[in-house]
Amino acid sequence: AAGVIQSPRHLIKEKRETATLKCYPIPRHDTVYWYQQGPGQDPQFLISFYEKMQSDKGSIPDRFSAQQFSDYHSELNMSSLELGDSALYFCASRGREVPEAFFGQGTRLTVV
Amino acid sequence: AQTVTQSQPEMSVQEAETVTLSCTYDTSENNYYLFWYKQPPSRQMILVIRQEAYKQQNATENRFSVNFQKAAKSFSLKISDSQLGDTAMYFCAFLQGGSEKLVFGKGTKLTVNP
Repeated sequence: AAGVIQSPRHLIKEKRETATLKCYPIPRHDTVYWYQQGPGQDPQFLISFYEKMQSDKGSIPDRFSAQQFSDYHSELNMSSLELGDSALYFCASRGREVPEAFFGQGTRLTVV
Repeated sequence: AQTVTQSQPEMSVQEAETVTLSCTYDTSENNYYLFWYKQPPSRQMILVIRQEAYKQQNATENRFSVNFQKAAKSFSLKISDSQLGDTAMYFCAFLQGGSEKLVFGKGTKLTVNP
């Protein structure tokens, strides 16, 4: 079965650079979530989209922005990167009639 | 705001034995869902089991079952016949009905010993 696809899987950026993470949800899933997981931490909710509109917002820094496109894929844009942004970034998707979210394999971002 | 508490940072169990991971949550709502996710060393987040708050029957998925005590706001995960591949971080998670925000506990690191 198709799963959530995230790209890239690994990314190394320097401080103050910009990064773009991409997420392709499971087909027919209309909700996308972004989570940030630091080392040894639980996943922290950043932002979610339902039917291409932002549906909820968590602890997402102002330096970050995200959107969901007409084909339901989503991108997380991160600017002015800081060392503390180094983390595993998960995307998850969810179908309309089910409550459970399915996660991608994550993008490991390292800021040096 | 909803909170999820996992009071056991680490646990270990012998292969083939049974282990129970604890989770409590706090909410004033009646419509919600609870989940257990597994995160093995690969860091992939894998859904283990889900429970709808309106269902009294405890969810079961093969060797995994839950003990859902709604009044006590408790949602424990029982793993029977533990296998080495069960070694992972286990996260309890809460989703408010109608919300998009999945709230995670801090996790329990489970080690299955041979």
